[in-house]
Amino acid sequence: DAGVTQSPTHLIKTRGQQVTLRCSPKSGHDTVSWYQQALGQGPQFIFQYYEEEERQRGNFPDRFSGHQFPNYSSELNVNALLLGDSALYLCASSFGASGGYTFGSGTRLTVV
Amino acid sequence: DQQVKQNSPSLSVQEGRISILNCDYTNSMFDYFLWYKKYPAEGPTFLISISSIKDKNEDGRFTVFLNKSAKHLSLHIVPSQPGDSAVYFCAASTYNNAGNMLTFGGGTRLMVKP
Repeated sequence: DAGVTQSPTHLIKTRGQQVTLRCSPKSGHDTVSWYQQALGQGPQFIFQYYEEEERQRGNFPDRFSGHQFPNYSSELNVNALLLGDSALYLCASSFGASGGYTFGSGTRLTVV
Repeated sequence: DQQVKQNSPSLSVQEGRISILNCDYTNSMFDYFLWYKKYPAEGPTFLISISSIKDKNEDGRFTVFLNKSAKHLSLHIVPSQPGDSAVYFCAASTYNNAGNMLTFGGGTRLMVKP
């Protein structure tokens, strides 16, 4: 039973570019949450998707947007990349908004 | 404004001894607390949780204690094993479920020496 799958594992982008990160939830899970983990810090909540809608959002600018597809997979899009966007982006899935999280291994984004 | 703080960035313990990891929070609305363990190149994995209606929860070698008046929780690992070496994050939620938005501390790197 595959867990949470994230792609790509590593990515290097130039400042000002746009990036799309992808997440496939664990089988049976229907809710996807995204977190940003900067170096040496704990994960910070970006947003959560449930039933293809953004259910909750953390303190992140509108440059961060997302989408959830009918098969529950999700994308995180970041526009106008800044050097400060360099981080590990973690996707977590759960069953319903009250289910426990299963985290993926993350996508390491480096902005140069 | 860090609502969840882990003031010890690292902790070194001898194998077989007790490891105590601490976490403080400021938001009195938090009512569900979790501990996650993270190995390099892997995502965080759930370890143990506690609801605000309890002051202790135990699962094998892991025990979490919650002191609501002090807004403090701790994770005890007894006995510590080399495989426990990882970064430990505490996290808190404002609703009594684990799937809602989590606020994480900055993590504590535990090193268990053989």
